[in-house]
Amino acid sequence: DAGVIQSPRHEVTEMGQEVTLRCKPISGHDYLFWYRQTMMRGLELLIYFNNNVPIDDSGMPEDRFSAKMPNASFSTLKIQPSEPRDSAVYFCASSLFDGIGGPYEQFFGPGTRLTVL
Amino acid sequence: AQSVTQLDSQVPVFEEAPVELRCNYSSSVSVYLFWYVQYPNQGLQLLLKYLSGSTLVKGINGFEAEFNKSQTSFHLRKPSVHISDTAEYFCAVSDQLGTDKLIFGTGTRLQVFP
Repeated sequence: DAGVIQSPRHEVTEMGQEVTLRCKPISGHDYLFWYRQTMMRGLELLIYFNNNVPIDDSGMPEDRFSAKMPNASFSTLKIQPSEPRDSAVYFCASSLFDGIGGPYEQFFGPGTRLTVL
Repeated sequence: AQSVTQLDSQVPVFEEAPVELRCNYSSSVSVYLFWYVQYPNQGLQLLLKYLSGSTLVKGINGFEAEFNKSQTSFHLRKPSVHISDTAEYFCAVSDQLGTDKLIFGTGTRLQVFP
């Protein structure tokens, strides 16, 4: 089975440009998470979805960040305009409600390394 | 809100030696605890988890962890490490059943030397 797929794996852009990160969760999973990892702040949850609906976006740093999940197999995280302090590794993860009561194992993608110059 | 503290940012150890990675969490009525491992240039993967039951939890790759409610700790142990265990280890906590929001610690870098 394919795991969580993220694209691109690396992104280098200039300050002010729009950046779109993409994620394909594991088929059948109904939760999707976006995380950001930096040396300074560690691993931070940005937002998560359940059945394509955003449940908690309290970790989204500011209005420049937005996330969508138009269907069960695709999600995007957009930064517009990007700034150097957005440089980080962005992870997508997915999990499946097993009907018993979680928390459930989250399966992480390989991440997108974003560099904003 | 829940929080997780990993006191050691780096733990160097020789191959075949035992290791313990420490994790403490802020107390709560109910707590659910996890250890994830991140190998270089990869995403995180689950090592083990505690939801209820036995306080000693066994995970993959020979790792185990013990839930200690009185000390609010969930330390990760392995009796004999291998070079391949070199990675970043994250402790995480979720304070509610049914929610998948995890709070991660800052990570501990385990470096195994030959």
